[in-house]
Amino acid sequence: NAGVTQTPKFQVLKTGQSMTLQCAQDMNHEYMSWYRQDPGMGLRLIHYSVGAGITDQGEVPNGYNVSRSTTEDFPLRLLSAAPSQTSVYFCASSYSGGGGYTFGSGTRLTVV
Amino acid sequence: GIQVEQSPPDLILQEGANSTLRCNFSDSVNNLQWFHQNPWGQLINLFYIPSGTKQNGRLSATTVATERYSLLYISSSQTTDSGVYFCAVSQGGSEKLVFGKGTKLTVNP
Repeated sequence: NAGVTQTPKFQVLKTGQSMTLQCAQDMNHEYMSWYRQDPGMGLRLIHYSVGAGITDQGEVPNGYNVSRSTTEDFPLRLLSAAPSQTSVYFCASSYSGGGGYTFGSGTRLTVV
Repeated sequence: GIQVEQSPPDLILQEGANSTLRCNFSDSVNNLQWFHQNPWGQLINLFYIPSGTKQNGRLSATTVATERYSLLYISSSQTTDSGVYFCAVSQGGSEKLVFGKGTKLTVNP
């Protein structure tokens, strides 16, 4: 039982490049979400999904896209990377209707 | 939106000491969780506690939903307890968690 798996763990991008951060969970959780964590701040919600085929925006969605074609996978796409997107990104999942979140180990992204 | 405030922002303890971390929230919630982020960045769920009291070893948590606060107690602290403790809440039927800015705990040997 792997829990929530994020790849890659580290990534350096040039301004304007695009990339996809991968997130997969094997717990059959309905709810999945992406957060970013910046120094001195808590975690801020980017996008979330309550089930396959359903996604919605969080607090800071600009510059990011998501899709949820299966229960297990919830990739985050950076369309045109900007230095302001330098951050640590966390994927999380949980059962709907209550219960604790399980987080992935994070992706540290640097945009130069 | 709902506001989540954690106190204190920083806490330094000697090994063996006890501590209490506080989380205040500005509106009613249906979900409250405590997390520990270790020095390597991993986020671990400690408690799912929208109300009441729970205990897990040296850690316990109490949420008084009617008064809009939660407390995390750490007893007999160890150096491995160091890291940042986050409180997060959600409202209504939403699963979207809103995080506080955290309490950074340092436990010295």
